[in-house]
Amino acid sequence: DAGVIQSPRHEVTEMGQEVTLRCKPISGHDYLFWYRQTMMRGLELLIYFNNNVPIDDSGMPEDRFSAKMPNASFSTLKIQPSEPRDSAVYFCASSPRDRGKLFFGSGTQLSVL
Amino acid sequence: AQKVTQAQTEISVVEKEDVTLDCVYETRDTTYYLFWYKQPPSGELVFLIRRNSFDEQNEISGRYSWNFQKSTSSFNFTITASQVVDSAVYFCALSEARGGAHSDEKLTFGTGTRLTIIP
Repeated sequence: DAGVIQSPRHEVTEMGQEVTLRCKPISGHDYLFWYRQTMMRGLELLIYFNNNVPIDDSGMPEDRFSAKMPNASFSTLKIQPSEPRDSAVYFCASSPRDRGKLFFGSGTQLSVL
Repeated sequence: AQKVTQAQTEISVVEKEDVTLDCVYETRDTTYYLFWYKQPPSGELVFLIRRNSFDEQNEISGRYSWNFQKSTSSFNFTITASQVVDSAVYFCALSEARGGAHSDEKLTFGTGTRLTIIP
């Protein structure tokens, strides 16, 4: 079975550019999560969805960040405009409603120059 | 507010030694879940175990064992006879069950412990 698929694996961009990260969850999972990992702040939950509906976006740092889930098999996290402090590894994870048993993708390493 | 503390930032042990990773948590809920996840060098986090707050029984899975003690708010992880493949970053995490319909899916992670097994 395919796991959670994220693209791209690596993204290098310049400050001010728009960045779009993509995620395909595991089929049948009804939760989708976006996490950010940095050395300074560790793993932070940005937003999560249940059945394509955002449940909690309190972790989204500011208005420059937005996330969508137009259908059960696809989600995007967009940063516009990007800033150097957004440099991090962004993880997508999905869950079959199993009390915190998450399945993570391989992450997108974002570097904003 | 919930909080997870992993005081050990990095640990190195020689292969075949036993090693314990510490995790201390804070929560006001009486119903909660504790987790351990492994992040190998490839990057993706992998679920290892979940315990609920009403089950303090220790658990053993092969070379892995977990010690849950509510009295000290700790959920420690021991690897027996460590192997090089155990080298990874290990995260402890917590979710609370009474913060709403979906709250038990919302994990708060500790900062992780980087474990290096020296051959």
